[in-house]
Amino acid sequence: NAGVTQTPKFQVLKTGQSMTLQCAQDMNHNSMYWYRQDPGMGLRLIYYSASEGTTDKGEVPNGYNVSRLNKREFSLRLESAAPSQTSVYFCASSELATGTYGYTFGSGTRLTVV
Amino acid sequence: AQSVTQLDSQVPVFEEAPVELRCNYSSSVSVYLFWYVQYPNQGLQLLLKYLSGSTLVKGINGFEAEFNKSQTSFHLRKPSVHISDTAEYFCAVSERSSGTYKYIFGTGTRLKVLA
Repeated sequence: NAGVTQTPKFQVLKTGQSMTLQCAQDMNHNSMYWYRQDPGMGLRLIYYSASEGTTDKGEVPNGYNVSRLNKREFSLRLESAAPSQTSVYFCASSELATGTYGYTFGSGTRLTVV
Repeated sequence: AQSVTQLDSQVPVFEEAPVELRCNYSSSVSVYLFWYVQYPNQGLQLLLKYLSGSTLVKGINGFEAEFNKSQTSFHLRKPSVHISDTAEYFCAVSERSSGTYKYIFGTGTRLKVLA
């Protein structure tokens, strides 16, 4: 009963480096999401995938790209990391794009860009 | 919902006292409402949700919330808190907008239960 699994849990990058955050869910959910959480700003949506084969920009997409590899997996890529991307990143999934039954979140990736 | 407002960024309360965490939203359409809890160094976990029907909904860990359509509020309550309830609580709203659904989180309320 893993739910949503994110890797890695911690990462330190130098400015300009690239990396991919991995996310996988085992609940057969249709929709998946990437959020970033910063102090005092709550959760901000980066990208989402309403269903397999589709991706859309959220509130703060600049500097990120995503891939919905299959129904289970949704990755987030930082092509050239910047200090402003220091944050905690959460992947989430939902059964429906409406989010009717709520979201299931992973435990997060703590990213520091120096 | 154009916005979800959690007016209190921090709420200190003594153990075994009641607590209410406030959430207001602005929307002109029907919405679904949610409360999530985030314990330190963890992801968010669904506490409860309102979809339709009874305006009083009960969730896990003894929490409940009441939907008030006229006041566009969805306040979270617990009659007697425990130290283990110390966490951050997020209100969220899902509304239909331009053919898709938007899911909006509030900025969170940090509940600190004091011994």
